[in-house]
Amino acid sequence: AQSVTQLDSHVSVSEGTPVLLRCNYSSSYSPSLFWYVQHPNKGLQLLLKYTSAATLVKGINGFEAEFKKSETSFHLTKPSAHMSDAAEYFCVVGESGGSYIPTFGRGTSLIVHP
Amino acid sequence: EAGVAQSPRYKIIEKRQSVAFWCNPISGHATLYWYQQILGQGPKLLIQFQNNGVVDDSQLPKDRFSAERLKGVDSTLKIQPAKLEDSAVYLCASSLRFTAGANTGELFFGEGSRLTVL
Repeated sequence: AQSVTQLDSHVSVSEGTPVLLRCNYSSSYSPSLFWYVQHPNKGLQLLLKYTSAATLVKGINGFEAEFKKSETSFHLTKPSAHMSDAAEYFCVVGESGGSYIPTFGRGTSLIVHP
Repeated sequence: EAGVAQSPRYKIIEKRQSVAFWCNPISGHATLYWYQQILGQGPKLLIQFQNNGVVDDSQLPKDRFSAERLKGVDSTLKIQPAKLEDSAVYLCASSLRFTAGANTGELFFGEGSRLTVL
């Protein structure tokens, strides 16, 4: 069975400061891991994905995530927040064994202050 | 390449009425998903199709929800009768058939259908 835990429901940062959104996962098989972003009244957009290649994954808009198997974590980071980054972020895990059923975390709301 | 199409974008109904949502996935995508996203929560999988077969529907409230994908392409999700707690955004997503090591299992989402039950 697989699951994903987003450790913070809300994260508040000032524009220009670093962003850290935390995600821990549980998986019985080699996982695929994703971060999606959802702006208000918009569809879900893929930010980045990990699929057993490089453990440091670069995505769009300056976001990165590092897969740490020993810590079962896949935290999302960005060096400098922009006002346009304010949105809801979802961590997603999918297992490669058995049926592939992507499971979402509850989401983290990123608030960016001027 | 056209994305995932969903309709209607918005729907308001009274409780106990019925409603249907339609989804047309990206051409060539064998796998289709319906998720329910209640305000303030992450998307919850309702049903997953592989071509026209059901892979998982364990979280689909089968007494009121039904879904079909008859020709392995577009899909319809129906709610009958609707309850107040069904108010949510219904998201359709599609992906290539997942094969370990062959593709990533990335999901492509439509913009969703927002249902309000009064």
